Amino acid sequence: DAKTTQPTSMDCAEGRAANLPCNHSTISGNEYVYWYRQIHSQGPQYIIHGLKNNETNEMASLIITEDRKSSTLILPHATLRDTAVYYCIVRVAGAGGFKTIFGAGTRLFVKA
Amino acid sequence: ETGVTQTPRHLVMGMTNKKSLKCEQHLGHNAMYWYKQSAKKPLELMFVYSLEERVENNSVPSRFSPECPNSSHLFLHLHTLQPEDSALYLCASSRTATSGSYEQYFGPGTRLTVT
Repeated sequence: DAKTTQPTSMDCAEGRAANLPCNHSTISGNEYVYWYRQIHSQGPQYIIHGLKNNETNEMASLIITEDRKSSTLILPHATLRDTAVYYCIVRVAGAGGFKTIFGAGTRLFVKA
Repeated sequence: ETGVTQTPRHLVMGMTNKKSLKCEQHLGHNAMYWYKQSAKKPLELMFVYSLEERVENNSVPSRFSPECPNSSHLFLHLHTLQPEDSALYLCASSRTATSGSYEQYFGPGTRLTVT
């Protein structure tokens, strides 16, 4: 089972920051938080990941709370092309290595 | 372009056919994955290969048979499928499966329809 919970859907105005929350209260100390997004019927696209510290790249910023039980993905200036399903994932250690278990994600609608 | 390619992009097959899906990664990764995404359902992990050895089989029916001849190629052989197997099949790769600190790169998927 996915170890994360996310809102089902969110709206954001074009040009504004989109803040997508994620809860992962059962995360273990060595498990990373990942964000991917999937535009309709395409393969998921990697966005960003982190362990403890906040992270930023050319696509987004990831803010992880100090207790690591939740995080927020920030798209600083959302565009219409950012409309997608956003998945927050914790990579879980298993017998065969680390697994990526997807949940239902958050459907982000960016509106003009 | 993610460096992971999949062929064919679309496939229609009858329940008695045998077909194969192909995935190739050009990233020098050591781990490869198959996922299934049915309509309105989350992605389901099917198989994980690490250094060409299958390390995860997520209770997948035997009518799906994976093959990893080398670290760059992954196949999914299909036979006697059911209509409910119609889905988007996604391949992914990562530098390794034994560390949680490496991201996965996904291919565009094969849209499979079983008639």
